[in-house]
Amino acid sequence: AQSVTQLGSHVSVSEGALVLLRCNYSSSVPPYLFWYVQYPNQGLQLLLKYTTGATLVKGINGFEAEFKKSETSFHLTKPSAHMSDAAEYFCAVSARNTGGFKTIFGAGTRLFVKA
Amino acid sequence: SAVISQKPSRDICQRGTSLTIQCQVDSQVTMMFWYRQQPGQSLTLIATANQGSEATYESGFVIDKFPISRPNLTFSTLTVSNMSPEDSSIYLCSVRVNGEQFFGPGTRLTVL
Repeated sequence: AQSVTQLGSHVSVSEGALVLLRCNYSSSVPPYLFWYVQYPNQGLQLLLKYTTGATLVKGINGFEAEFKKSETSFHLTKPSAHMSDAAEYFCAVSARNTGGFKTIFGAGTRLFVKA
Repeated sequence: SAVISQKPSRDICQRGTSLTIQCQVDSQVTMMFWYRQQPGQSLTLIATANQGSEATYESGFVIDKFPISRPNLTFSTLTVSNMSPEDSSIYLCSVRVNGEQFFGPGTRLTVL
């Protein structure tokens, strides 16, 4: 079984500041990890994913995340926030279960960007 | 990749009635997933549907309330039965292709 914890339901940053959204996971088997973004009244959009290989993964819109197995973390970062980054962000973990792969989502973190 | 369509895109229903949501994928997939996103909340997995077998339901979801059909490798339906206002949510169909999870546009359900 797997689970995801996103630390902080709301994060507020100033435009141009570093964005850090935290995600910790648990999984009994090697996981696949994802970050999705959801803009108001829109569907989910994949930002980036980690499956195997390089632990630092780069995604769209300047976001990146680092898989740290020892810390069971997959935090999302962006060096400089833009107003258009204001949205809901979901961390997700996918792992093989008895019936196949299953993807579980964190509770989400709403990012606010101040001018 | 996978392109997923859902019908209807939205509906307003009376309590006690049932609604069937259709999901069509543009490629054959072994497993299809149904999620629910209640207002202001995250996605919760309802069930996993394999073609030719009964769906596997997550804790808190039962077949009588959310019957699922999976007649072939590109199509599935989810029925929300005997609806109450608490069932008002966005219902999303999802598939997994090459390690990536793809989502349909969702069906926004409002129960009065």
